[in-house]
Amino acid sequence: GIQVEQSPPDLILQEGANSTLRCNFSDSVNNLQWFHQNPWGQLINLFYIPSGTKQNGRLSATTVATERYSLLYISSSQTTDSGVYFCAVAPGGYQKVTFGTGTKLQVIP
Amino acid sequence: NAGVTQTPKFQVLKTGQSMTLQCAQDMNHNSMYWYRQDPGMGLRLIYYSASEGTTDKGEVPNGYNVSRLNKREFSLRLESAAPSQTSVYFCASSPRGGSYNEQFFGPGTRLTVL
Repeated sequence: GIQVEQSPPDLILQEGANSTLRCNFSDSVNNLQWFHQNPWGQLINLFYIPSGTKQNGRLSATTVATERYSLLYISSSQTTDSGVYFCAVAPGGYQKVTFGTGTKLQVIP
Repeated sequence: NAGVTQTPKFQVLKTGQSMTLQCAQDMNHNSMYWYRQDPGMGLRLIYYSASEGTTDKGEVPNGYNVSRLNKREFSLRLESAAPSQTSVYFCASSPRGGSYNEQFFGPGTRLTVL
């Protein structure tokens, strides 16, 4: 099956700092999502981005499908950004979604 | 519009007991999924239903059964619970309209098997 690797596994930021999270995948995909799992366990949709670039406030994401990676940018981080960030992918035509192991982010005041 | 709902929120079972986790969505989505999340790990797919009337195994189906009761509801059953099934269980749904297949998740069920 498809392999999904996320880096870094852990990240500690000072409030106000910027960061880039990376998701590499081993095969072509037609479905890629970024999620934020908050400290209460809730999974929040950030981006549905199988290709291209999207922005939503302080967050933006870019997927380069031909090179099999996606990046999530967090600017001016806030303590509420803390939690785990997952990317999830699915190959073309399939429903089986594979999650990466996540990046655990801690933003300190 | 409640999105994806799951019941119960918490459950404690003894080894060998059975139970059913319920999931419902009100977004008129075609596809539904069950995942488990173990501590410090990502989500792993247990079963999915691409459309009403169909179900397929995911990555970790052993010890589970599912029923797609109708378009709205997708249940997960543990026939004889084992401590290895202690986990947080998430249900999700997606529209499966053409190439667009964004998943939306419920709040999860925290299950402990003693």
